[in-house]
Amino acid sequence: DGGITQSPKYLFRKEGQNVTLSCEQNLNHDAMYWYRQDPGQGLRLIYYSQIVNDFQKGDIAEGYSVSREKKESFPLTVTSAQKNPTAFYLCATSVGPNTEAFFGQGTRLTVV
Amino acid sequence: DAKTTQPTSMDCAEGRAANLPCNHSTISGNEYVYWYRQIHSQGPQYIIHGLKNNETNEMASLIITEDRKSSTLILPHATLRDTAVYYCIVRGNFNKFYFGSGTKLNVKP
Repeated sequence: DGGITQSPKYLFRKEGQNVTLSCEQNLNHDAMYWYRQDPGQGLRLIYYSQIVNDFQKGDIAEGYSVSREKKESFPLTVTSAQKNPTAFYLCATSVGPNTEAFFGQGTRLTVV
Repeated sequence: DAKTTQPTSMDCAEGRAANLPCNHSTISGNEYVYWYRQIHSQGPQYIIHGLKNNETNEMASLIITEDRKSSTLILPHATLRDTAVYYCIVRGNFNKFYFGSGTKLNVKP
């Protein structure tokens, strides 16, 4: 089954703990993205990667980290430095310039 | 990347055409217009995109004005399942899709 897999769908963590969100794709797309969505708002770009071993900060990268060691995988770590980590996190991929992006089904992170 | 302006919400009767407007007055020559929609608690779904010419696919039509400063997404026969938040995005750089707050389309029976 092709596509983008985000796991888990729901995630709970205690305040002060780091947590890693998984994003895997078998579409052979070069570009991958992480977005954050808060209730009633649009998506905001956290990090993006054009190619393996390269990634760039988006608009709200503080308190987050990523890696891109494999083309298929782009995990996002929410660190304890992120002041308000509770949100809906979305991963996306695209083939290249001027092509559409495809989104996973998201991970809802709740920090208590 | 150019920013977009959309109405906060719109209503449409089931079976009628839904016309969703978007202003992107600062768009530059190489920037494409994309439309996505999001149903609650799901990932956004791609609908259509275009540069200059009008585009049509099985889901919708995209009408872009000649000066490219605005566009309209048309759902020809709206159904209850089309109720969602619709995002208009202008994308220039390879990597960045900037999502605004979108338009909440309510399709009513």
